[in-house]
Order: sequence, then structure tokens, then C-alpha cells
Amino acid sequence: DIQLTQSPSYLSASVGDRVIITCRASQGLSSSLAWYQQKPGKAPKLLIYGASTLQTGVPSRFSGSGSGTEFTLTISSLQPEDFATYWCQHHNGYPLTFGPGTKVDIK
Amino acid sequence: QVQLVESGGGVVQPGRSLRLSCAASGFTFTRYGMHWVRQVPGRGLEWVGVISYDGKVTHYGGALKGRFTISRDNSKNTLYLQMGSLRVEDTAVYYCAKEVREVAGPNVFDGWGQGTLVAVSS
Repeated sequence: DIQLTQSPSYLSASVGDRVIITCRASQGLSSSLAWYQQKPGKAPKLLIYGASTLQTGVPSRFSGSGSGTEFTLTISSLQPEDFATYWCQHHNGYPLTFGPGTKVDIK
Repeated sequence: QVQLVESGGGVVQPGRSLRLSCAASGFTFTRYGMHWVRQVPGRGLEWVGVISYDGKVTHYGGALKGRFTISRDNSKNTLYLQMGSLRVEDTAVYYCAKEVREVAGPNVFDGWGQGTLVAVSS
């Protein structure tokens, strides 16, 4: 199975900050990586897939990049509604796996 | 808009079985692969498995070891998860999720239910 790691596991940031979250895979994924945002008590929300394709309706301050084994999610200017947990997920064959998550908290 | 409503969760004893349902509306259910994903409260996400749009193909997460079965009834726009030989470690919120594109899209999920809690306890 493909293992995903995320860093950092937790970050504290202020509104307006640029935030970068990294996801690393145990084997090459080409561009088959997605990012989700989850708020407490809610289901995850798809942000990006195919490493860099922004899901319809997601604000343009979110962007994704990378290929192979290293990927990043960037939030260009953190907004109050962006405080949440972020998960990466590979979609490069079965079984699908998720990363361990990154919690973004208010500084 | 896409609506997915899970039901069937609850408290169940170890070793027993339980069937979850997911009623879909707001999209052409028969055209989309559907998945189950679970999450221990306060913990990470674990993919359970997938069924193809036509119900002919299924895949499962390795940790389930044949105890879970996914099926669908396209005439009722409903997805199912049959869980057997339940263990305490199966305790989680179970979500059904819809793939982002029809038929053979990438295995990512643009629609999720609200989740149903399964608690396995004696």
C-alpha cells in the first residue's frame, strides 16, 4: 500500500499568512494526489485533485503543486474560514490511502 | 444538488453484523462510482472500499480482510455496506462518497454524506 506523510502535523498561523502543507508518498504517484479540507463535525470537502486541478467553487487562494512523491498545498492568504484540518489522498490505484492530516489553527 | 444520506449506524456487539445504507439524490447515481470512507472520531480518514457505477467491480481496503461487502441498487439510488464479524476497532463514523466524474473518473470525492456512527462495544 502507498503510505502518505504530511508535514507539519500542526501549524499555527494568522489571517493573511501564506501557508504551505507538504504531502510525501512512499512511491511515485505521477499527479494523482488530492487535497481535502475538514472542519469539526463535518465531512471532508474536496479542494484539489490531480495535484493541481482546483475543484469547482474552491477559492483561488488554494493551489496545489508537485508530482511523483512530493506535493504541496498552498493557501496564499489565510482566511478565517480556512482554519481546519487538511488531508491529502492519493488516487493512483487501489487501495486508496489518506495522509495523517495537518491541523491549521489560529495563532 | 448532490445529497447523500447514510443510515443504519448504532451500537453493536463484537462479532455481530450491521448493514449501512446511503440514499443518493441530486445526481445520476447510475453513472458514478461510489465509495465508503470511515473515520474514528478525532482521528484520520480510512478508505473502506469502492463499487463501480454498474455494480460489477468492487475493491476494498486491505485491513478489512473480507469482512465488509459493498453493493448498490441502482433502481433505488442506494449504496450499501454490509459489515460482518465486527470488531471494537471498526468503531468509526462511516461516510459514503461520490466520485468527482462519471463512470471512470479519478477516485476522488466531491460529495459526501453526513456520516453515520458505528460503535462496536460489548
